[in-house]
Amino acid sequence: QVQLQESGPGLVKPSQTLSLTCTVSGGSISDGSYYWSWIRQADGKGLEWIGRINFIGSTNYSPSLKSRVIMSVDTSKNQFSLKMSSVTAADTAVYYCARDKVDGYNYWFDPWGQGTLVTVSS
Amino acid sequence: DIQMTQSPSSLSASVGDRVTITCRASQNIRNYLSWYQQRPGKAPKVLIYAASNLQSGVPSRFSGSGSGTDFTLTISSLQPEDFATYHCQQSHTTFVFTFGPGTKVDIK
Repeated sequence: QVQLQESGPGLVKPSQTLSLTCTVSGGSISDGSYYWSWIRQADGKGLEWIGRINFIGSTNYSPSLKSRVIMSVDTSKNQFSLKMSSVTAADTAVYYCARDKVDGYNYWFDPWGQGTLVTVSS
Repeated sequence: DIQMTQSPSSLSASVGDRVTITCRASQNIRNYLSWYQQRPGKAPKVLIYAASNLQSGVPSRFSGSGSGTDFTLTISSLQPEDFATYHCQQSHTTFVFTFGPGTKVDIK
C-alpha cells in the first residue's frame, strides 16, 4: 500500500525558508488519479491545509498562505516538496504530507505521512 | 470562507458508551464532509467520507450522518483504542479545504 514520509530540517530561523520533501513509496506519484497535499498542525491546534500538487505540477494553495508557498514535484524520485518563505514562530507546527482522494466533489486525505516537527526559532 | 465548528471540544466517556460528536459548517456544504481520528502523537486517519461513507477497514461502530450545515459522528460502543481526537473536514469550497478544531475523547 502507498506510504508517505516527510523529511527536512527540524529547525528554521525566522524570516528564512522552510523546505520539506515527501517521499512516496508503494505507488507512483505519476498516477494521474491523485493530487498530493501538505497539511500542518500547530501544537494543541487544529489541522490546516496548505496546498496540493499533481504529477505535472498543477497546484492549488490555501489563500491565506499562497503568497509564501511554492510546491514542486520530482517524478523521477517519486517525491513532492514544500517551500514556505518568510517564516515566523507562527509557522512552528507538525507538517504532514498526504494523498488526496476524491469521489465526485468530495475530497479527503488518505493516507498520511507520520509528520515532521518544524520549529521556527533563532 | 467556510468555518467549521465542533462540539463538544472535549468529552469524557467510558468503554462501551455511545458517543456523538457534532460538526457544524458556516454555510451549506451539502455532503462534502469527512471525519478523521487522530491518536496522540500520530497522523490523522480517515474514518468517514462524503458525510456517511465508512472508509474501508474502519470498524462498523463508527458512523456518520448529516447534510447541509449539521453533521454527526457516532461511535456506537466506545472501545479503548477509540480514545483520540476527532476532526471534521469540508471540501465544498473548491480546493480550499478546512478542518474543524477537533473533539478530544478521553477516559472517564
